[in-house]
Amino acid sequence: DAGVIQSPRHEVTEMGQEVTLRCKPISGHNSLFWYRQTMMRGLELLIYFNNNVPIDDSGMPEDRFSAKMPNASFSTLKIQPSEPRDSAVYFCASSFPQRSGNTIYFGEGSWLTVV
Amino acid sequence: QKEVEQNSGPLSVPEGAIASLNCTYSDRGSQSFFWYRQYSGKSPELIMFIYSNGDKEDGRFTAQLNKASQYVSLLIRDSQPSDSATYLCAVASSGGSYIPTFGRGTSLIVHP
Repeated sequence: DAGVIQSPRHEVTEMGQEVTLRCKPISGHNSLFWYRQTMMRGLELLIYFNNNVPIDDSGMPEDRFSAKMPNASFSTLKIQPSEPRDSAVYFCASSFPQRSGNTIYFGEGSWLTVV
Repeated sequence: QKEVEQNSGPLSVPEGAIASLNCTYSDRGSQSFFWYRQYSGKSPELIMFIYSNGDKEDGRFTAQLNKASQYVSLLIRDSQPSDSATYLCAVASSGGSYIPTFGRGTSLIVHP
């Protein structure tokens, strides 16, 4: 079975540029999460969708960050404009809460470097 | 605010020993508890989950849950160098949407 698929795997961009990260959740999962991981702050939840609807975006750091989920099989996380402090690994994850107490499954991550 | 605390380590154990990783949490309403392993440069992968007080065994791994004391632990028997990784504890409560809260992780080093 295909897992959570993220793209791009690596992105290097200049400060001020727009960055778009993409995610395809596991088929049948109805919950989707975007996490950010840094050495300083660990794994932080940015936003959570359930049935394509954003439920909790309290972790989105500021207005430069936005996320969408236009359908059950696709989500994007956009940073505009990007800043060096946005450099991190961004993980997309999905789950089916009615199973396994909401075990979430991670994609391989998008490694973002903003210079 | 829900908190999940782990000792950052590193925890260093010799090959063949038992590694014991601990996690405490603040939300008494927590119901689901997860252990993830994360190798350097990789994504977290689920090792096991536990819901009920007591022990749950899966191969060389045993999760232990004590809700009264609000801690969950992971024991790794016969530790191997390939077990060297960061172990993340995650806790979810029934209130709201079962969103797991992750600890910062404990780095485990198994030396030959």
